Order: sequence, then structure tokens, then C-alpha cells
Amino acid sequence: KQEVTQIPAALSVPEGENLVLNCSFTDSAIYNLQWFRQDPGKGLTSLLLIQSSQREQTSGRLNASLDKSSGRSTLYIAASQPGDSATYLCAVPYAGGTSYGKLTFGQGTILTVHP
Amino acid sequence: KAGVTQTPRYLIKTRGQQVTLSCSPISGHRSVSWYQQTPGQGLQFLFEYFSETQRNKGNFPGRFSGRQFSNSRSEMNVSTLELGDSALYLCASSLVGQNNGYTFGSGTRLTVV
Repeated sequence: KQEVTQIPAALSVPEGENLVLNCSFTDSAIYNLQWFRQDPGKGLTSLLLIQSSQREQTSGRLNASLDKSSGRSTLYIAASQPGDSATYLCAVPYAGGTSYGKLTFGQGTILTVHP
Repeated sequence: KAGVTQTPRYLIKTRGQQVTLSCSPISGHRSVSWYQQTPGQGLQFLFEYFSETQRNKGNFPGRFSGRQFSNSRSEMNVSTLELGDSALYLCASSLVGQNNGYTFGSGTRLTVV
């Protein structure tokens, strides 16, 4: 059974800091890993999708890395802004069986960036 | 390009009633998945539909059901509502193939009183 863990559970930083969110998964048989952002009471917004054959993906101030063999991914946010405040979730589709449509999510990291 | 559309955005129902939620995927996306999100349990997978067929199902009671239409739109139904069914229900759509990512809708907030 795939399990996904995110550390830290919450993070509060001043504006302008660079920060790293961590995601680990127990089974390396994954097709890809996706990072999402969720604002309170809203749906999930996809930030980055990393295929299992890739090492990293970048979008603007965001950079996500994937080390499939060690079961880890990190999301790096450069020059954080108050608008980055949200819950960040990582998710993996399990490649070990017929996991159609099923993503396993971590519990998320609640990020607060204060001015 | 329109995103994933979920209706309604908010619902208030009474215990024992039933409810139907709707999800319209991105054009061309034929896989639709449903999730329940609660503060205590996080995001939990309900089921997935592709070509009008349920291909995968999570660990939820039979009161939770769904279907998909020929245009890929999907509905989920919850019968005999319980207080514990109060949650944010999210649907996601995806292109066929395991290497594709998922796009989520804004969700339906269901409150059972």
C-alpha cells in the first residue's frame, strides 16, 4: 500500500524567503508525482507534474525534484510572497496495479508567508 | 480552454436525504475521478470512470455511487446521507494513460444537518 508523507505539516516564513517542502512515498513504483496547491475551501490547482524518468521540473519561482529510488520529492519556492500562502499537496498514482484514477495524497503542508 | 466544472458549489441537505453532484471534465478528458476531502481524513479516493465504466473504487460504503455519460460528464450520488458525509467533494479529469496529470475542479461543499 502506497503511503505519502509531507514534512513539515506547517510552515510560517517572512516574505522573500526561499523555502523547501518535502514529500516522501513508500513505494517507488510510480508513474509520476504531482504537486498541487489548495486555497482554503477551494479545489486543487496543479503546480508541477514530474514524470518518473525526470529529475526535476520548473515553473516560474517553483522547482520540484524527484528521486524515485529514495522515494522523495521536494518543492522549492523561491522568493516567497504572501500570495503563496496555501496548503501544498503532493500526490502519486500507484504503478503497482490497476490504480486507474487513484492518486495517493500526502496530508499537505500549510504554508503562511507573512509580509 | 474550460477547466473541470463542478455543480453545485454548495449544498445543504438533511440526514437521510440523497444528493447528486455533477462534474464536467475538460474537453477530451475521458477519465473522471472523485475524491472526498475532510479535515480528519484528508483526500480519499471514491471512484474513477472511463468510457462510462467504473474502473476503480475506493473504500466507501455502497451509499456512494456514480456514473459517467457518453460525453464523459460524471455524476456521483450519495443516498441516506449521514452527518459524516459532510465534506468537500472534488472531481478530477485526465487524459487516457498513466503518465498524464490530473486537473481538479473547484469542488462541491456538502453540509449534512
